[in-house]
Amino acid sequence: DQQVKQNSPSLSVQEGRISILNCDYTNSMFDYFLWYKKYPAEGPTFLISISSIKDKNEDGRFTVFLNKSAKHLSLHIVPSQPGDSAVYFCAAISGNTGKLIFGQGTTLQVKP
Amino acid sequence: DGGITQSPKYLFRKEGQNVTLSCEQNLNHDAMYWYRQDPGQGLRLIYYSQIVNDFQKGDIAEGYSVSREKKESFPLTVTSAQKNPTAFYLCASSISGGGLDYGYTFGSGTRLTVV
Repeated sequence: DQQVKQNSPSLSVQEGRISILNCDYTNSMFDYFLWYKKYPAEGPTFLISISSIKDKNEDGRFTVFLNKSAKHLSLHIVPSQPGDSAVYFCAAISGNTGKLIFGQGTTLQVKP
Repeated sequence: DGGITQSPKYLFRKEGQNVTLSCEQNLNHDAMYWYRQDPGQGLRLIYYSQIVNDFQKGDIAEGYSVSREKKESFPLTVTSAQKNPTAFYLCASSISGGGLDYGYTFGSGTRLTVV
């Protein structure tokens, strides 16, 4: 049972344009949602998070939007840069369990 | 610098052998976790420990074992009972309670290959 889903395995955008990565979840008990960025053969690094009581959080070029009624969140990167090319994981956590549940990941390629 | 250290980075194992992956953290985090990454499947939780001398099974614990004798260390043993051990293994830690603000801090991973 996949509680966090990233249905797009890959995304390719042109440098300078917007990248939009999507994520859906099924568990309404999730308190926090996070995005991690991962390069090959490295551990994921934290990118940005959002509490379930908010609908938007912004940090520089990165903005995460949360639509609780649709159980959907998205990560916007604007403008996209070649260095943003990586695998992006959406993750969710419930305060009850303390366990971080990950989506399958989306590979972003930003072309110069 | 505080962080999580996983060793070795690459590990080869013959079929039928047990192998132990090391994970050490100096972040003073209470909780530690082991994940496995396979192509197209994201990160799946193997085992986690929220306090010393205690640990719980994750979603795919079969064929694995762990110990948590010290706060800083959470080694993972991949046993011969694990049917598909070839994968990228990630260790993580967090402040007790799951680290709701920032999630987990991850190590750089160990690539295990069964030959």
